[in-house]
Amino acid sequence: DAGVIQSPRHEVTEMGQEVTLRCKPISGHDYLFWYRQTMMRGLELLIYFNNNVPIDDSGMPEDRFSAKMPNASFSTLKIQPSEPRDSAVYFCASSRFNEGNYGYTFGSGTRLTVV
Amino acid sequence: AQSVTQLGSHVSVSEGALVLLRCNYSSSVPPYLFWYVQYPNQGLQLLLKYTSAATLVKGINGFEAEFKKSETSFHLTKPSAHMSDAAEYFCAVSEAGGGNKLTFGTGTQLKVEL
Repeated sequence: DAGVIQSPRHEVTEMGQEVTLRCKPISGHDYLFWYRQTMMRGLELLIYFNNNVPIDDSGMPEDRFSAKMPNASFSTLKIQPSEPRDSAVYFCASSRFNEGNYGYTFGSGTRLTVV
Repeated sequence: AQSVTQLGSHVSVSEGALVLLRCNYSSSVPPYLFWYVQYPNQGLQLLLKYTSAATLVKGINGFEAEFKKSETSFHLTKPSAHMSDAAEYFCAVSEAGGGNKLTFGTGTQLKVEL
């Protein structure tokens, strides 16, 4: 298995532009998580899905952030419009319910820089 | 609500010395506990997990952790540090039946010196 695949690895964009981050979870995993990592705030859970349905989006910072999971093999996190304070590393992770309490598998992350 | 506290944002040890990274948890129900490691510019990798079986848990790369309910702790140890252990380590907690949601600590940066 190729693991959790995120794209792009790096993204540099100008303030005000739309940014879309992509994630392909491990086949057969029914949970998908989006985390944001910054020096100041550490790892923050933004949103998670179960069987493609958003379960908890209380960590999404503002309406500028949105996430979708149109099918079991793909999810996006969109920021529109982007701001410099959105600069962070965004991680996607997936797990399978029966193994869910045995830990997630993380992707390599997308490093977003908003200038 | 569940949470974990990692004591010490930076820990420095000599190569060959004992590694001890501290984690205390708070949970209203029996917790599941995890340690993850993050190498520079990489995602998080699971080191080990406690899921209510044996209280002493062995993980990868020679690491182990002991669940102590009386102390609400889950400290990570390794008898002899290696240069390759230099990384950031995160403790995380999930409540049994809590819908798979993991809450992470703030991380401990481990430095290994010659």
